[in-house]
Amino acid sequence: LAKTTQPISMDSYEGQEVNITCSHNNIATNDYITWYQQFPSQGPRFIIQGYKTKVTNEVASLFIPADRKSSTLSLPRVSLSDTAVYYCLVGPYGGATNKLIFGTGTLLAVQP
Amino acid sequence: NAGVTQTPKFQVLKTGQSMTLQCAQDMNHEYMSWYRQDPGMGLRLIHYSVGAGITDQGEVPNGYNVSRSTTEDFPLRLLSAAPSQTSVYFCASSEYRGTEAFFGQGTRLTVV
Repeated sequence: LAKTTQPISMDSYEGQEVNITCSHNNIATNDYITWYQQFPSQGPRFIIQGYKTKVTNEVASLFIPADRKSSTLSLPRVSLSDTAVYYCLVGPYGGATNKLIFGTGTLLAVQP
Repeated sequence: NAGVTQTPKFQVLKTGQSMTLQCAQDMNHEYMSWYRQDPGMGLRLIHYSVGAGITDQGEVPNGYNVSRSTTEDFPLRLLSAAPSQTSVYFCASSEYRGTEAFFGQGTRLTVV
């Protein structure tokens, strides 16, 4: 399964757009890119999944270049409640719980 | 719709004691898994199941047993607790080829 690399931490202020980039150089043809969010003392929560180009939902956007060796999670106008750890996962079918490999994630700290 | 329910939320064990962490889901998901999360780290897969009667080992299975007699329940058994098993345990479920995994709220286990 593809290994991912993402920044350990990021800081932002309320109202700003935050972009978290993940590298996955060894991504396989049938792999999807999935992002999860985890608040302290809670289980991870699915944010968004994509295969190529751009995906947008009510929470975030996911940008994937043509070579799929990286991806960028974009959070528009963050608030204090977006402070959490964000995990980038790469694997088949995104949700199969036996295929999820979590790295250390990116700790996003949003300040007033 | 309760999703994934874990019990208990907190537990303190003495070294050598055994116990069972309970996990139940009401979404009729085929896949269920157990993860552990140590401070500052991502989640690591302990055991997983792709359906009733079928289980397999994940990355860190030693010291744990599982069984899956029904679709809904996936208990995790600690055979003889050790301080190294002090961690937060998460149960997750997903559909076969599903997009996202659903996690429980976690069980915080301390072994003294």
